[in-house]
Amino acid sequence: AQKITQTQPGMFVQEKEAVTLDCTYDTSDPSYGLFWYKQPSSGEMIFLIYQGSYDQQNATEGRYSLNFQKARKSANLVISASQLGDSAMYFCAMRGYLSAGANSKLTFGKGITLSVRP
Amino acid sequence: DTGVSQDPRHKITKRGQNVTFRCDPISEHNRLYWYRQTLGQGPEFLTYFQNEAQLEKSRLLSDRFSAERPKGSFSTLEIQRTEQGDSAMYLCASSTRDYRQDTQYFGPGTRLTVL
Repeated sequence: AQKITQTQPGMFVQEKEAVTLDCTYDTSDPSYGLFWYKQPSSGEMIFLIYQGSYDQQNATEGRYSLNFQKARKSANLVISASQLGDSAMYFCAMRGYLSAGANSKLTFGKGITLSVRP
Repeated sequence: DTGVSQDPRHKITKRGQNVTFRCDPISEHNRLYWYRQTLGQGPEFLTYFQNEAQLEKSRLLSDRFSAERPKGSFSTLEIQRTEQGDSAMYLCASSTRDYRQDTQYFGPGTRLTVL
């Protein structure tokens, strides 16, 4: 079973500054994947970034990077140069890889609200 | 390349009525997922299809819920005898058979309100 914990209250950041959104996880699977999604007020979940548990380097996608600390079981999302359009809910999620095709479901945290101030 | 689409986007129904939602995945994706999201929570897994086979169902999927994917393309989720507790956003996602990453791409969701 997997568990994702996102405990930060609503986050505020000034436009053009960087912000870190925290995520800790727990799993008994030896191999797993970690995902971050963005959910604007429109409701659609938008995929941002992926980190595999055996990836040697931290993932980066444009302004998004993932600070992966396996020993601490944390996978924090860093957004650089925040933009007004970054205001949304952000969800951390994970899936295990016990075997090919197994455990395909994603387990999500409760999410963090990010507000970008002009 | 069109994304995942869902229909309807909003549904208001009275308690006890049946409702059906449709999901059209990204065309080359063979995996399809249904999730439910209530206010202030993250999405919770309901069920998963690989092609037309339903491979996993959550305990959240009571007997009143049924999902199908008859030809391995679009999927439907039906809720019978709706209850007020069924009010939620129902999200559909699809992915390709990539063992390592298997990123799920979500549709816009169907927001259900049961009066």
